[in-house]
Amino acid sequence: DAKTTQPNSMESNEEEPVHLPCNHSTISGTDYIHWYRQLPSQGPEYVIHGLTSNVNNRMASLAIAEDRKSSTLILHRATLRDAAVYYCILRDSNYPTPLVFGKGTRLSVIA
Amino acid sequence: KAGVTQTPRYLIKTRGQQVTLSCSPISGHRSVSWYQQTPGQGLQFLFEYFSETQRNKGNFPGRFSGRQFSNSRSEMNVSTLELGDSALYLCASSLVSSSGSTDTQYFGPGTRLTVL
Repeated sequence: DAKTTQPNSMESNEEEPVHLPCNHSTISGTDYIHWYRQLPSQGPEYVIHGLTSNVNNRMASLAIAEDRKSSTLILHRATLRDAAVYYCILRDSNYPTPLVFGKGTRLSVIA
Repeated sequence: KAGVTQTPRYLIKTRGQQVTLSCSPISGHRSVSWYQQTPGQGLQFLFEYFSETQRNKGNFPGRFSGRQFSNSRSEMNVSTLELGDSALYLCASSLVSSSGSTDTQYFGPGTRLTVL
């Protein structure tokens, strides 16, 4: 499986934007970039995914570098409820593969 | 729609016993995956079932097994429990397709297993 690299932890002030980086230098052309997050005492939840173009949904935006070797999850206005571990995961679109979780980035949000 | 449900939510067993955990996927979802989460190893994939067939398997010993029923509900079983099996066991369902990994997985709240 292609690997991703994320910072162990990040901190943000409430109501400010947060940019969570992910490096995936060995990404293949058929790999989608997925983001999941895990709130305390809950199972992971889907955030967003993309292939080449930037993506937006009600939760976040995903900015993908032109060479696809990195991406950034953007939370436009962090709230206390966004404090979670964020996982960046690559999944091959050609095959039914499971989610391979790394250690993720623990985001703390300060009021 | 109701989310993924897992039962029981908490379980305490002793070494050597066996345990069965249950997962009910979101209505209409045909794929069910199981994951183990521990502080040391993080989230690790156990296996996935699609239309009652095991489609993928993680790197776990044969003591870990699962099955899926015709209504897509799934169970996983761990035999001869060891202390190291203490973990949060998470089940995820997805709508899927016969191939492709762009499907979203929806996770349940997990079953917290403690082995004494």
